[in-house]
Amino acid sequence: DAKTTQPPSMDCAEGRAANLPCNHSTISGNEYVYWYRQIHSQGPQYIIHGLKNNETNEMASLIITEDRKSSTLILPHATLRDTAVYYCIVSLNTGNQFYFGTGTSLTVIP
Amino acid sequence: KAGVTQTPRYLIKTRGQQVTLSCSPISGHRSVSWYQQTPGQGLQFLFEYFSETQRNKGNFPGRFSGRQFSNSRSEMNVSTLELGDSALYLCASSLLLQSRTDTQYFGPGTRLTVL
Repeated sequence: DAKTTQPPSMDCAEGRAANLPCNHSTISGNEYVYWYRQIHSQGPQYIIHGLKNNETNEMASLIITEDRKSSTLILPHATLRDTAVYYCIVSLNTGNQFYFGTGTSLTVIP
Repeated sequence: KAGVTQTPRYLIKTRGQQVTLSCSPISGHRSVSWYQQTPGQGLQFLFEYFSETQRNKGNFPGRFSGRQFSNSRSEMNVSTLELGDSALYLCASSLLLQSRTDTQYFGPGTRLTVL
């Protein structure tokens, strides 16, 4: 069973920041938080992951709360190509199975 | 570096047949995982292989099997196909290092249609 809870859908205006929340209240101390996105019928695309500290890469920023029970993925300047389903996953390491919940369907509006 | 490749990309079979799907991981990656994605069940984990050994298995019937070769390439097989096996089958590879830089990378998937 998925260990995360995400809102089913969100809208974001093009050019604005998209903030996607995720609750993972049962996360254990050594589990990472991973974010992936999937554009219709394509393979999931890795975005970012983190353990405790906030992380940033060329695609997004990941903000993890101090108690690690929730996180937020931030797409700083959303474009139409960011329209996708975003999945938040917690996992011990990459060899363990990823439990994909239902994700958040993000629609970027022109 | 080339990404994860899966062949074939599309496949049509009839009930009762069997099918073999192939996955080539990113060069240097030794762990390969397989997932099934359907509209009703979403993305579900099938199994994971490392060094030619199945290490983890999801909750799927024995008709679903897989293997990994010494070059880390992997195949999955579904025997006695059922209509419900129609799905997008995804393969993912990783280095399997407990490293903050490691993660799973997914291929484009194989779309299987069972008639």
